[in-house]
Amino acid sequence: DTEVTQTPKHLVMGMTNKKSLKCEQHMGHRAMYWYKQKAKKPPELMFVYSYEKLSINESVPSRFSPECPNSSLLNLHLHALQPEDSALYLCASSQETGTSGGRVGELFFGEGSRLTVL
Amino acid sequence: AQSVAQPEDQVNVAEGNPLTVKCTYSVSGNPYLFWYVQYPNRGLQFLLKYITGDNLVKGSYGFEAEFNKSQTSFHLKKPSALVSDSALYFCAVRVAMDTGRRALTFGSGTRLQVQP
Repeated sequence: DTEVTQTPKHLVMGMTNKKSLKCEQHMGHRAMYWYKQKAKKPPELMFVYSYEKLSINESVPSRFSPECPNSSLLNLHLHALQPEDSALYLCASSQETGTSGGRVGELFFGEGSRLTVL
Repeated sequence: AQSVAQPEDQVNVAEGNPLTVKCTYSVSGNPYLFWYVQYPNRGLQFLLKYITGDNLVKGSYGFEAEFNKSQTSFHLKKPSALVSDSALYFCAVRVAMDTGRRALTFGSGTRLQVQP
């Protein structure tokens, strides 16, 4: 069972819609991530939050807007998307470097939200 | 910069035979290395990691991997493959003590097909 929960599992939206993807973890992790994965490709990093602050933005278009309301939640707001944005969006979390050595660096992934943009 | 190469798009093996999925990496510094598995339409599941210590790392579901610093490799192995091991496998790397970038770089993935 995954300890990172993503909703919705599937989302279909038009190019003019506004929607949000949600991610939740209760492992006490202070780093959270959004990845985008196209079919049969590796996950590509979009955003990293560390202690609720955005620490990495991999030059993602502004039609994707991340938000970290608290240490357990991560949202991805979607607006005016393009059909090529259709993909599996994966959320992940991890403990910070240097703490509790057994889990340093390991990411825990959610099951993903499958997005289709029409 | 850090990168990972998985030279094989697909590996085919008969059930009961040993399997190897190859991974090489390039980092400036000491690496943290990981293997993840992904089943169709699912998220990534952690298999194992190398942080420091023994070069042979044992992980979930009978998988193991050997860290070879001189060859910059971290190949995934299993002594006896199961049909249920058929999935997409990703190798990933992160530079140790990289406090400025807490993220993994993934390889392109290798599809493992285990035939009954």
